[in-house]
Amino acid sequence: AQKVTQAQTEISVVEKEDVTLDCVYETRDTTYYLFWYKQPPSGELVFLIRRNSFDEQNEISGRYSWNFQKSTSSFNFTITASQVVDSAVYFCALVNRDDKIIFGKGTRLHILP
Amino acid sequence: EAGVAQSPRYKIIEKRQSVAFWCNPISGHATLYWYQQILGQGPKLLIQFQNNGVVDDSQLPKDRFSAERLKGVDSTLKIQPAKLEDSAVYLCASSLEGRYYGYTFGSGTRLTVV
Repeated sequence: AQKVTQAQTEISVVEKEDVTLDCVYETRDTTYYLFWYKQPPSGELVFLIRRNSFDEQNEISGRYSWNFQKSTSSFNFTITASQVVDSAVYFCALVNRDDKIIFGKGTRLHILP
Repeated sequence: EAGVAQSPRYKIIEKRQSVAFWCNPISGHATLYWYQQILGQGPKLLIQFQNNGVVDDSQLPKDRFSAERLKGVDSTLKIQPAKLEDSAVYLCASSLEGRYYGYTFGSGTRLTVV
């Protein structure tokens, strides 16, 4: 079975704090892909990052960074020096070889001014 | 490049009525998806097409939901009859080997069943 678990339903932090969103996945496939999407109040899904199962290198993009650990089946997302514009729902997703996308339930992030 | 187009943007119907949603994917994208996103939850896959064939419709409630993708391009999703629990945003997405090149999502259709 394939599954994505985002245990944090809702997080609130004060602006400029760092925040980490957790993502744990389950799959029997050896080849798979992991994604993070942002869904602002307007509703569209905005692509943030893609990782394949063979690339465990962490990635940093501006204030965003991702930590992929196959040993714990986790793909966590950290926002450094958070800003009010980061307020949104964030989804982690798992994709298999058939391009089937399985989303987690999302984490609603509130950045308080 | 034009995005994934969906219509209507909003729809309000009474329970037991029928409704149809339309999706026009990005030109050349072979794979098309319909997702249901209930308020406060993650998108749930309803059906995945590869060209005009169905790859996965295991979570499509086939007693009331139907979908087609004629000529491997546009797609329609129909609900007949609608129930209150069908109130959700219906998202369409398309891709060309999306696991490598990504997925493009439409803005969705927000359905309210009263």
